[in-house]
Amino acid sequence: KAGVTQTPRYLIKTRGQQVTLSCSPISGHRSVSWYQQTPGQGLQFLFEYFSETQRNKGNFPGRFSGRQFSNSRSEMNVSTLELGDSALYLCASSPPGQGAYEQYFGPGTRLTVT
Amino acid sequence: DQQVKQNSPSLSVQEGRISILNCDYTNSMFDYFLWYKKYPAEGPTFLISISSIKDKNEDGRFTVFLNKSAKHLSLHIVPSQPGDSAVYFCAAKPLWDFGNEKLTFGTGTRLTIIP
Repeated sequence: KAGVTQTPRYLIKTRGQQVTLSCSPISGHRSVSWYQQTPGQGLQFLFEYFSETQRNKGNFPGRFSGRQFSNSRSEMNVSTLELGDSALYLCASSPPGQGAYEQYFGPGTRLTVT
Repeated sequence: DQQVKQNSPSLSVQEGRISILNCDYTNSMFDYFLWYKKYPAEGPTFLISISSIKDKNEDGRFTVFLNKSAKHLSLHIVPSQPGDSAVYFCAAKPLWDFGNEKLTFGTGTRLTIIP
């Protein structure tokens, strides 16, 4: 089975711009979660989508948004970029059903805001 | 409020010895715990997990211990190998909260295995 894929892998943007990141989950996985990783902060939960609906949301400003398509692929969007948005953005997918399952992570998108 | 804490940012261990990585949590609602390993420029890779009905889970060289009363878990790697050099993240979630896939992560411990 192919793993979680994320595109692009690297991105450089300027303050004030917006950016869209894409994530394709493992085939059959319907839950997609997004995390932001910054040095010293670990992984911070952004949001989770399941069957095209946002189920959970972390403590990030409204500039961070996402969506999920019928094929479970997901995108996240950051508008009006700030320098502090520079981070590694990770997407993870989970098998269907509730339970003691791990999340499978993609390689991440490294976003640099200048 | 950091609900999952890894108080050691880094750890160095001689090859062949035991590596012990520690994690503390404050939220008593967490009942499923996971360890992930991360190399630079890659996403985290799942290593091992444990649910709160157990106090130990073993998988090859990796063993996770859970002390619920102390809200503490640890990951033991025996014997340590150079390829184990990576950042290790502890994560937690509440299994009972149906539909909540959110993982709460610690800040990570960088493990360096010295040949």
